[in-house]
Amino acid sequence: KAGVTQTPRYLIKTRGQQVTLSCSPISGHRSVSWYQQTPGQGLQFLFEYFSETQRNKGNFPGRFSGRQFSNSRSEMNVSTLELGDSALYLCASRVLAGDTLLTDTQYFGPGTRLTVL
Amino acid sequence: DAKTTQPPSMDCAEGRAANLPCNHSTISGNEYVYWYRQIHSQGPQYIIHGLKNNETNEMASLIITEDRKSSTLILPHATLRDTAVYYCIVSGNQFYFGTGTSLTVIP
Repeated sequence: KAGVTQTPRYLIKTRGQQVTLSCSPISGHRSVSWYQQTPGQGLQFLFEYFSETQRNKGNFPGRFSGRQFSNSRSEMNVSTLELGDSALYLCASRVLAGDTLLTDTQYFGPGTRLTVL
Repeated sequence: DAKTTQPPSMDCAEGRAANLPCNHSTISGNEYVYWYRQIHSQGPQYIIHGLKNNETNEMASLIITEDRKSSTLILPHATLRDTAVYYCIVSGNQFYFGTGTSLTVIP
């Protein structure tokens, strides 16, 4: 079974631009979560989508948004980019069915390295 | 969501067992303990998880104390490829990764 895939792998943008990152979950996985990783703040949860609905959200400004499509693929958008948005953006998927929430293992993709100049 | 505390760094000799501790004193009764590792800016890799019983798979063993307030990940025969940052996480509505333990396996 193919793993979580993320595109693009590397991206360079300038301040003020916007960016869209894509994530394809493992086949059969219905939940997609996004994380931001920076040297200063570590790995931080952005949001989770399930059945095209956001079910959890971390503590990030509204410039960070996401969506999920009917095939479970997800996109994350960052508007009005700032230098501090330079980071590794990670996507993770899990099955998330019924009462398996707490034992539902997340599997991570390789990440998208975003550099904001 | 329960938080975890891990030592920032550890060394281990190649071929020896690596024992990585984690404190999770505020864990709830139905929350699981997960371990992941991340090798130099790759995506975190799932290792193992457990609820209250000790668990073992092909990668590692997980020992959870009876009161569930702490756990230890054991890599039985560490190799150089096990050098990574290891994260202990308590499952909840979201995964809180913390700062992890940077394990260096020394030849």
